[in-house]
Amino acid sequence: AQSVTQLGSHVSVSEGALVLLRCNYSSSVPPYLFWYVQYPNQGLQLLLKYTSAATLVKGINGFEAEFKKSETSFHLTKPSAHMSDAAEYFCAVSTQGGSEKLVFGKGTKLTVNP
Amino acid sequence: ETGVTQTPRHLVMGMTNKKSLKCEQHLGHNAMYWYKQSAKKPLELMFVYNFKEQTENNSVPSRFSPECPNSSHLFLHLHTLQPEDSALYLCASSPLNGFENYNEQFFGPGTRLTVL
Repeated sequence: AQSVTQLGSHVSVSEGALVLLRCNYSSSVPPYLFWYVQYPNQGLQLLLKYTSAATLVKGINGFEAEFKKSETSFHLTKPSAHMSDAAEYFCAVSTQGGSEKLVFGKGTKLTVNP
Repeated sequence: ETGVTQTPRHLVMGMTNKKSLKCEQHLGHNAMYWYKQSAKKPLELMFVYNFKEQTENNSVPSRFSPECPNSSHLFLHLHTLQPEDSALYLCASSPLNGFENYNEQFFGPGTRLTVL
């Protein structure tokens, strides 16, 4: 069975600083990996996804993530944080072959300080 | 309307009330999901429907009763809830297109439920 670990339930950065949100996965078969963002009182919105093509994936709002098989990681980065990036971020994993389920991490709340 | 919609967006109910949450997806997807999101707890998958058939029930109490009349609509019927059931209830859908099934899920905005 697959699982996801997000290191750090809260991350705080200054506006303009690098954003790094960590995600490690466990899967016995090649995974599909996702990052979702949730703004207050809203549903989850897909930021980006890895589906076994390019290992460096670019998403919306300037975010990107790199799939590193050797490290079983899929960390989310953005070079320069903006106040509007303040939200909760969820990493998720599914597997090839028709699994209906996404397995979500516990989420990381990002605070951006002026 | 596009994407996944949920109604109502906010609901306050007493423990003896009966109410229903509605989810509708306009994406032509085959699978639909109910999630519960409580403060300080991870996202909890409650139910999964695939082509209108329930394929997963994650030990959800019987006071929550799902209904999926077709691939576009999903309901969650609520009765005799407890205060600890207060949470954001999220609906999602996904395409499940055969082998290339990434299971990317598209979420609705959620219903904020408060049980008094």
